Amino acid sequence: QKEVEQNSGPLSVPEGAIASLNCTYSDRGSQSFFWYRQYSGKSPELIMSIYSNGDKEDGRFTAQLNKASQYVSLLIRDSQPSDSATYLCAVSSAGNMLTFGGGTRLMVKP
Amino acid sequence: GAGVSQSPRYKVAKRGQDVALRCDPISGHVSLFWYQQALGQGPEFLTYFQNEAQLDKSGLPSDRFFAERPEGSVSTLKIQRTQQEDSAVYLCASSGPGSSYEQYFGPGTRLTVT
Repeated sequence: QKEVEQNSGPLSVPEGAIASLNCTYSDRGSQSFFWYRQYSGKSPELIMSIYSNGDKEDGRFTAQLNKASQYVSLLIRDSQPSDSATYLCAVSSAGNMLTFGGGTRLMVKP
Repeated sequence: GAGVSQSPRYKVAKRGQDVALRCDPISGHVSLFWYQQALGQGPEFLTYFQNEAQLDKSGLPSDRFFAERPEGSVSTLKIQRTQQEDSAVYLCASSGPGSSYEQYFGPGTRLTVT
């Protein structure tokens, strides 16, 4: 069974700090990796995608992928209270279905 | 441009009733996915269409669940004889050529079975 694991949190960080969110996956055939943000009562919103080993930066967000360790992470710099949400890690193979982790709840305290 | 739309946004059904949930994907997106999300959990895959072809329905929990996309655009997820365990948010996502398999979600339909 393909699994994606995340710490459920909550992860609490002060405003302005770096939030580090982690995810591991079991299927070595996974090719595409995504981070979604989900506010309470809303649907998942795509914030980052990464396909090759290394780092990918987009504004305050950096996604990191290590396929050898089967590990994906998301760093949020200069965290803001508006970043408080659940962050979902998702993986897929060959453009097919997404397998999601259970999500990590992030709380950014002013 | 317009995103993925879903209707109804909320549905209350009595146990045993049939329901139909609609998804209108982003224009030009050939791939359409349905997911089910229980409270406090990540979405779980139900089924996948490429154009009108249903390529994977391995996530449908029982034969009471049925999905179609007859013209390769709008899709309907039908649940027959609803049960309380069907209560969840049903999410539709679409993905198109050139989007590197990125899936964009609609607002979801919250189904409550009483």
